[in-house]
Amino acid sequence: DIQMTQSPSSLSASVGDRVTITCRASQGIRNDLGWYQQKPGKAPKRLIYAASNLQSGVPSRFSGSGSGTQFTLTISSLQPEDFATYYCLQHNSYPFTFGPGTKVDIK
Amino acid sequence: QLQLQESGPGLVKPSGTLSLTCSVSGDSISSTTSFWGWIRQAPGKGLEWIGYIYYSGSTYYNPSLKSRVTISVDTSNNQFSLKLSSVTAADTAVYFCARHVGTYSIDYWGQGTLVTVSS
Repeated sequence: DIQMTQSPSSLSASVGDRVTITCRASQGIRNDLGWYQQKPGKAPKRLIYAASNLQSGVPSRFSGSGSGTQFTLTISSLQPEDFATYYCLQHNSYPFTFGPGTKVDIK
Repeated sequence: QLQLQESGPGLVKPSGTLSLTCSVSGDSISSTTSFWGWIRQAPGKGLEWIGYIYYSGSTYYNPSLKSRVTISVDTSNNQFSLKLSSVTAADTAVYFCARHVGTYSIDYWGQGTLVTVSS
């Protein structure tokens, strides 16, 4: 199985901060990676697909980059509604695997 | 707008079989560009991909669950289903149904349903 790691596992930030979350794959996955936001009691919501493409309707403060084994999700200016847990998902090789998540909370 | 809705018992006895159905609206489950999958999340834990099915009946299951999982499709009712046998407390989780598109990315999720395994 491809192992996905995320760093940091959690972070505290203030509204307006720039936030960067990293996801690493144990082997190359091209750009077959998505980023998801999950709020408590809700289903995950896709933010980014194919590593760097913004999902329709998602604010432009979210961006993704990377290819191969290292990927980044950036929130350029954190907003109150962005406090949530973020997961990456690789869908390059079976079984598809998620990162362990990064919880973003209020400083 | 695509909507997926899980349904099924919220409580299953140990050694029993968990059965859930996902009703799809806003897209045809017979779409040639979509795969229909299940993901679960144990309380306070991360996400685990269970498997998916294509409208033709072709499936792929996570090897960690393969011996106990069956995913089936009902094209006439635009639904697909999950069965997980021989459940234990470790199978207690929120179960999500979802759509895979393109190179199998997940774009839409159901709201999820909590299944508790307990006597």
